[in-house]
Amino acid sequence: AQKITQTQPGMFVQEKEAVTLDCTYDTSDPSYGLFWYKQPSSGEMIFLIYQGSYDQQNATEGRYSLNFQKARKSANLVISASQLGDSAMYFCAMRELNTGGFKTIFGAGTRLFVKA
Amino acid sequence: NAGVTQTPKFRVLKTGQSMTLLCAQDMNHEYMYWYRQDPGMGLRLIHYSVGEGTTAKGEVPDGYNVSRLKKQNFLLGLESAAPSQTSVYFCASSPGTSGQETQYFGPGTRLLVL
Repeated sequence: AQKITQTQPGMFVQEKEAVTLDCTYDTSDPSYGLFWYKQPSSGEMIFLIYQGSYDQQNATEGRYSLNFQKARKSANLVISASQLGDSAMYFCAMRELNTGGFKTIFGAGTRLFVKA
Repeated sequence: NAGVTQTPKFRVLKTGQSMTLLCAQDMNHEYMYWYRQDPGMGLRLIHYSVGEGTTAKGEVPDGYNVSRLKKQNFLLGLESAAPSQTSVYFCASSPGTSGQETQYFGPGTRLLVL
């Protein structure tokens, strides 16, 4: 069954340092996509980065990179050079492409606090 | 383009009342989704639709019904509201042409059931 786990309810990081947010997943579908979203206190959902199960390289988007370890079924988000504006909730999500009918499920989220 | 819009933004219901949440998208997306967000539980998929006239159950469908009569609209209905349905409801849409596309989210609807 499709499942996403984010084990860190909250994380603190010093401004300008890097931080890793954990995400593990479970699926029997060999074809799937992994997403990360940011939700600031204003409430909107902001897409950050995508990784496909067949992608050979880890995805990167500016200060965001995805540490994809397929054998471990983990897709951790790395934020480099943290900024105060990075303080938000972060959600990992997965979409099964063969069996899931394109439905997308989310983890419980990690709240990131960036300290000045 | 307005993207994904949700109506209403906030609503208070009494237990047993019914209501419909409207989601509209102007991006000609095939797929649409309804999620609820509760503290500590992230977003949970209620129902979704892969095209006009089709709907499917998600993770937590009980107590909700949906309809997709027009491609651009996805309605979420609560026939008899319960306090457990107090939540923030998000609608989302995606093109549906491949699995790589992100979902585009609406601003959310806060629902309080007394």
